[in-house]
Amino acid sequence: AQSVAQPEDQVNVAEGNPLTVKCTYSVSGNPYLFWYVQYPNRGLQFLLKYITGDNLVKGSYGFEAEFNKSQTSFHLKKPSALVSDSALYFCAVRDTSNQAGTALIFGKGTTLSVSS
Amino acid sequence: DAMVIQNPRYQVTQFGKPVTLSCSQTLNHNVMYWYQQKSSQAPKLLFHYYDKDFNNEADTPDNFQSRRPNTSFCFLDIRSPGLGDAAMYLCATSREMSPLYEQYFGPGTRLTVT
Repeated sequence: AQSVAQPEDQVNVAEGNPLTVKCTYSVSGNPYLFWYVQYPNRGLQFLLKYITGDNLVKGSYGFEAEFNKSQTSFHLKKPSALVSDSALYFCAVRDTSNQAGTALIFGKGTTLSVSS
Repeated sequence: DAMVIQNPRYQVTQFGKPVTLSCSQTLNHNVMYWYQQKSSQAPKLLFHYYDKDFNNEADTPDNFQSRRPNTSFCFLDIRSPGLGDAAMYLCATSREMSPLYEQYFGPGTRLTVT
């Protein structure tokens, strides 16, 4: 079965410091991995994805993620956090076991809190 | 701007009273999805349409139905809402089903069941 784990419910970081939001996955085939961000009472916004190619993926708002196949991880990173980055972050993996092959399996989310 | 629109943003319905949530898109995407997100939980896919082809997730209750009368609109019908159906309902679209195409989400409709 496909699954995504986000081991931290909350990550706290001071503005200007680097941040990491962790994600590990389990899939039977090749993983398609995504990060989305959700602000309060808003829908999800796409940040970045890994399909194939370079292990370091760059996305929106200065975020990047590193795909590590041996550790089955896809951690989200940013070199310098902003207060406005405070939000709920979801890691997701593409469910290729689904007949249509299109369902996203989401992790339970990690709340990022950036203090000024 | 091209976007995914959901109406209403907040919906209150009574236990057992049918309710319909609406989603429209100006992106002209082929695929439209409905997700259910309960409080402090991850979004869970209910079903999706590829054009007019409907695909139901195996564990989606029969109480949930969907209609897509044209490319732009998709509706979520809850025939007899229970208290456990209170959640945020998210509509999303993608150009194709390939993972090369990310999903674009609407702002969601928060459903309260009294």
